[in-house]
Amino acid sequence: EAQVTQNPRYLITVTGKKLTVTCSQNMNHEYMSWYRQDPGLGLRQIYYSMNVEVTDKGDVPEGYKVSRKEKRNFPLILESPSPNQTSLYFCASSRALANTEAFFGQGTRLTVV
Amino acid sequence: LAKTTQPISMDSYEGQEVNITCSHNNIATNDYITWYQQFPSQGPRFIIQGYKTKVTNEVASLFIPADRKSSTLSLPRVSLSDTAVYYCLVGDGVGNTGKLIFGQGTTLQVKP
Repeated sequence: EAQVTQNPRYLITVTGKKLTVTCSQNMNHEYMSWYRQDPGLGLRQIYYSMNVEVTDKGDVPEGYKVSRKEKRNFPLILESPSPNQTSLYFCASSRALANTEAFFGQGTRLTVV
Repeated sequence: LAKTTQPISMDSYEGQEVNITCSHNNIATNDYITWYQQFPSQGPRFIIQGYKTKVTNEVASLFIPADRKSSTLSLPRVSLSDTAVYYCLVGDGVGNTGKLIFGQGTTLQVKP
């Protein structure tokens, strides 16, 4: 089954404690991205990757890092989480070009206290 | 940037046809228009995509006028399960750089 898998689904952490949210896709897609969703603000892109070792900033990249060492994985790293990063996060993947059908993960609800 | 504008919310009743219009004045020549549906606490789900004129699938129809500055998602005979947020999406207009912009979406409430 074609899918994008995120882990964990829920996470509560403290300010400043480094964390990683994993994302894996099984469709051999080149393009992957991370979004955060906050009430009233819709979905905002954090980072995206066009292929292995190729990443770029989206609209709200501050406070986040990503890496793309393998095609299937695109982890989101918060080096020093802060309460304003409390949000619902989604990973997505699609074929090489953007603006095609994207497949989204189930979401990760992160709370930073 | 090809920003999109949609109504914030819409109400409908079961069995009616719903049309949601999206404005995208700065759409680039090579941009497609894509619509997604999202239920609470779930990831968005692809509904339909088009470039011009009309596209239809088993779920919806997409109407795009010749100037492509707007598009209309049409949901035939909605049911309660169609209550969701609907997003209109286009590329950023600077080639295919991968930068997608989601607007605030349209919250559709279907009533019995």
